[in-house]
Amino acid sequence: DTAVSQTPKYLVTQMGNDKSIKCEQNLGHDTMYWYKQDSKKFLKIMFSYNNKELIINETVPNRFSPKSPDKAHLNLHINSLELGDSAVYFCASSQGGTGLRETQYFGPGTRLLVL
Amino acid sequence: QQQVKQSPQSLIVQKGGISIINCAYENTAFDYFPWYQQFPGKGPALLIAIRPDVSEKKEGRFTISFNKSAKQFSLHIMDSQPGDSATYFCAASYYSGTYKYIFGTGTRLKVLA
Repeated sequence: DTAVSQTPKYLVTQMGNDKSIKCEQNLGHDTMYWYKQDSKKFLKIMFSYNNKELIINETVPNRFSPKSPDKAHLNLHINSLELGDSAVYFCASSQGGTGLRETQYFGPGTRLLVL
Repeated sequence: QQQVKQSPQSLIVQKGGISIINCAYENTAFDYFPWYQQFPGKGPALLIAIRPDVSEKKEGRFTISFNKSAKQFSLHIMDSQPGDSATYFCAASYYSGTYKYIFGTGTRLKVLA
């Protein structure tokens, strides 16, 4: 059983398109996160949701919009994709809402390539 | 001031040797320092973490050393094994309305058999 799953695993698309990445966790956790890891492996938090409520929204372009239909799911929708959006996007979850102060469980990542 | 500087960028160690990765920070508000391990094609996984009220924390072969006055902390991997080959990230966290956290730039460790 995969604790945190993401779909798709790979996503290749053209500039200007709109795409979504889905994330699901079966750990019963209250908080979910989206991270971006660029080509240099730099990892940065994008969003965090606690019980479907947005609690962290770092400086991210408005083209990125997270949606949490329930606390087990956190989807990431990206409008008007740009070349610079190419990266690996990781979903993660944790029991509480204290971020790195507790164990976060990461998904396998979605490798997005914008052409 | 929000940066966490990590070094070296890459590290090659012989099997059985000690791997040392260093991180430095400026913001004295940081009060929680975790290390993450990431294997190729996988998401990061929490390895070990420390709070600034202790100078050292050990879990198995992994030890964090923390120097509050120097605002530095490091990860030591004793008896390094080829299976330890991965990218390691330090991070720092503090609370300011919400929990803030910054990752280091990562160290790619290769342990030679």
